[in-house]
Amino acid sequence: DVVMTQSPLSLPVTLGQPASISCRSSQSLVNSDGDTYLNWFQQRPGQSPRRLIYKVSNRDSGVPDRFSGSGSGTDYTLKISRVEAEDVGVYYCMQGTHWPGTFGQGTKVEIK
Amino acid sequence: QVRLVQSGAEVKKPGSSVKVSCKTSGGTFSTYAISWVRQAPGQGLEWMGGIIPIFGTANYAQKFQGRVTITADESTSTAYMELSSLRSDDTAVYYCARGSNYIWDFDYWGQGTLVTVSS
Repeated sequence: DVVMTQSPLSLPVTLGQPASISCRSSQSLVNSDGDTYLNWFQQRPGQSPRRLIYKVSNRDSGVPDRFSGSGSGTDYTLKISRVEAEDVGVYYCMQGTHWPGTFGQGTKVEIK
Repeated sequence: QVRLVQSGAEVKKPGSSVKVSCKTSGGTFSTYAISWVRQAPGQGLEWMGGIIPIFGTANYAQKFQGRVTITADESTSTAYMELSSLRSDDTAVYYCARGSNYIWDFDYWGQGTLVTVSS
């Protein structure tokens, strides 16, 4: 299985400051169809996960534009331009290029 | 509006089985993939398996092969996940999630079902 490694695992951030989460895969996530199936999910405390970003850099409907995704090959990044209180939670990357789909360990974002 | 509504919390004895349901509304049930993802207490997310109802055949993660059965009832737009030979480490929240474009798309999630395995 493809191993997804996130860093850091814990990210204390000051309100209004940027945050960045790295996700590395053990194999390239570029599919034979040319797409890259790398998604980012947010899980707020006590809630179900919610998809934020699909195929590396596409924001889901209703996701604030302070969230952005980038990357290629085996290295991907989720950035929050200015952290707000509602952004507290755990963020997961997940690859769907190789069978089976696999998640990263999660990065806990908290306010300093 | 797409909604996935799961059945309620369960408490089970070791060695028994549990069956969790996921009723969907909005969208075309038959052509979207429904997966089951579990989350042990304080842990991350783990894909267990999924099904595309129109094809009828489920696919499972190797870890759960032989112990999990995923089915779908097109007449009620409901997917089911049955896990057998329960152990204490199966205690977790089980989520259903829909994949609109491919099985791991996970664009919509259910509210989760807590399954507690305890003697």
